[in-house]
Amino acid sequence: AQTVTQSQPEMSVQEAETVTLSCTYDTSESDYYLFWYKQPPSRQMILVIRQEAYKQQNATENRFSVNFQKAAKSFSLKISDSQLGDAAMYFCASTGTASKLTFGTGTRLQVTL
Amino acid sequence: GAVVSQHPSWVICKSGTSVKIECRSLDFQATTMFWYRQFPKQSLMLMATSNEGSKATYEQGVEKDKFLINHASLTLSTLTVTSAHPEDSSFYICSARDARGNSGNTIYFGEGSWLTVV
Repeated sequence: AQTVTQSQPEMSVQEAETVTLSCTYDTSESDYYLFWYKQPPSRQMILVIRQEAYKQQNATENRFSVNFQKAAKSFSLKISDSQLGDAAMYFCASTGTASKLTFGTGTRLQVTL
Repeated sequence: GAVVSQHPSWVICKSGTSVKIECRSLDFQATTMFWYRQFPKQSLMLMATSNEGSKATYEQGVEKDKFLINHASLTLSTLTVTSAHPEDSSFYICSARDARGNSGNTIYFGEGSWLTVV
């Protein structure tokens, strides 16, 4: 079984600043994967970044990086140099090798000028 | 990244009719696809897991006879909403698991489909 918790319903960041979105998870799987998805108003789910749990190195994708703390079961997303286009709902999710994707409740990110 | 295409993006149907939504993985074979429904201001709710060549696995509370899922090929899964009613109006979105060795077992999503039943 898997659970994903996002404790921040809403966050706000000024343009060009950095923001960190929190996520904690629990899983019974020994081999699992963690993701952050972005959902803009169009409702499409866009993959932002992924992390294989067996990798110790934190994943990075341009302005997006994660802080993966396996022992603490924490998987936060850092957005650097925030842009207006980053405004969206962000969902943290986890899955095992053959199991379904489990989502958190989401964090709505506002980007202000 | 891999591409998943969902069609149609928008559909309006009359109450009592059926409507089919298609989900295709365009550049990889997907033995497993997933169908979700999303209510306003909520997270995605998994409806069923679609397995190629076998019956779909439905989540508790989802009516199998109402939401028919077919996964006849490695690149196509379909969701048919039968005898649609206004309360079935929602945003439906599919996803597909890319299980290729270098993909990190990533799940990619289609664009989603807005269903309105009038």
